[in-house]
Amino acid sequence: GAVVSQHPSRVICKSGTSVKIECRSLDFQATTMFWYRQFPKQSLMLMATSNEGSKATYEQGVEKDKFLINHASLTLSTLTVTSAHPEDSSFYICSAHQAGTNTEAFFGQGTRLTVV
Amino acid sequence: QKEVEQNSGPLSVPEGAIASLNCTYSDRGSQSFFWYRQYSGKSPELIMSIYSNGDKEDGRFTAQLNKASQYVSLLIRDSQPSDSATYLCAVKDSSASKIIFGSGTRLSIRP
Repeated sequence: GAVVSQHPSRVICKSGTSVKIECRSLDFQATTMFWYRQFPKQSLMLMATSNEGSKATYEQGVEKDKFLINHASLTLSTLTVTSAHPEDSSFYICSAHQAGTNTEAFFGQGTRLTVV
Repeated sequence: QKEVEQNSGPLSVPEGAIASLNCTYSDRGSQSFFWYRQYSGKSPELIMSIYSNGDKEDGRFTAQLNKASQYVSLLIRDSQPSDSATYLCAVKDSSASKIIFGSGTRLSIRP
């Protein structure tokens, strides 16, 4: 399957600071990438859809000014958690789709964010 | 609101037996269906995709799709302890580019 690389895999930051997470498709072009958040023992929650060259589409209840998404190229999307608070601590996962009708989602390794 | 429903489990199956995981979905126009496996603390890993009614086999895994009943299942034959994980059913939204995930079924294979 296609390879999606997410970095960093683990980050600890202080309250009030910002954290940037990168998601790269290594061997294919991804016009669309997705950002999820997963709390312990819960399912994936879609936060936003990242479209190359245009604004991201956020799911209901997700603050676009807090979770900044940039998808400047066909292989890279970034999620910046701004002014992080302890309640933002979670597992953040990106996925990327190859172009086409029947398209699987390939996931990055995930980023474990801890805000102290 | 389009939904994908799964029994949360845990589903406990003896080693060597067949594990059967089920999923229903609400989006009647969906054409693409997926099963992902997620180990604790890891991101999901695609194990099967299915697009047509019927069965699709890959090694010990068989995915079954019935679009009329809006039902997808995954069978795991000769279950191994390493199959113990959470299995996520996913359905591509027919009107958007996103994939909708179920809440997952926790599978435990007991030796």
